[in-house]
Amino acid sequence: NAGVTQTPKFRVLKTGQSMTLLCAQDMNHEYMYWYRQDPGMGLRLIHYSVGEGTTAKGEVPDGYNVSRLKKQNFLLGLESAAPSQTSVYFCASSSDRETGSTYEQYFGPGTRLTVT
Amino acid sequence: AQSVTQLDSQVPVFEEAPVELRCNYSSSVSVYLFWYVQYPNQGLQLLLKYLSGSTLVKGINGFEAEFNKSQTSFHLRKPSVHISDTAEYFCAVSVRTNAGKSTFGDGTTLTVKP
Repeated sequence: NAGVTQTPKFRVLKTGQSMTLLCAQDMNHEYMYWYRQDPGMGLRLIHYSVGEGTTAKGEVPDGYNVSRLKKQNFLLGLESAAPSQTSVYFCASSSDRETGSTYEQYFGPGTRLTVT
Repeated sequence: AQSVTQLDSQVPVFEEAPVELRCNYSSSVSVYLFWYVQYPNQGLQLLLKYLSGSTLVKGINGFEAEFNKSQTSFHLRKPSVHISDTAEYFCAVSVRTNAGKSTFGDGTTLTVKP
């Protein structure tokens, strides 16, 4: 099992450009999450999904959009990148209550994004 | 809503010394508690978790944590650290009816010196 994978690993954008970050998991998990990590601020939830075709806002959703067209994939989009979106982005997944989940999350390796 | 406070942002310690990383949480309902470790340039991985039952839980790499409901704490301990334990450690709390979402603390950087 590859677990949770993220592409790309690194990206540099100019202000106003757009991009999509891809997250894929092969554990058949229902729940998926996108976080951003900034120094001294822990992880902050951007958006999450409780199943295929569903998405919901997290703590810091502004400037981001997401889609979950397939159960195994969760995409994070930046329509018009801003320097404040310079961060490390992590995707995570977890299983749901019906499968006996205890809500531990499995994380990808991260995407380091710089917006200039 | 839940919240997590990690009381130390940085903890320097010498190799083979004991260490304690402190975590307090706030919640009006029953919680699950977790400690994750993040090595440089990597994602987070689960170190240990408290679900219910015994308040002392053991995890990987010789770490353990004790759940104290009266003090709403979940401190992480290791009796003897190694250089390889140098990493950032995150405490997290989740509740049973919240779509699996976890609230994370700001992290504690553990630096083990030779």
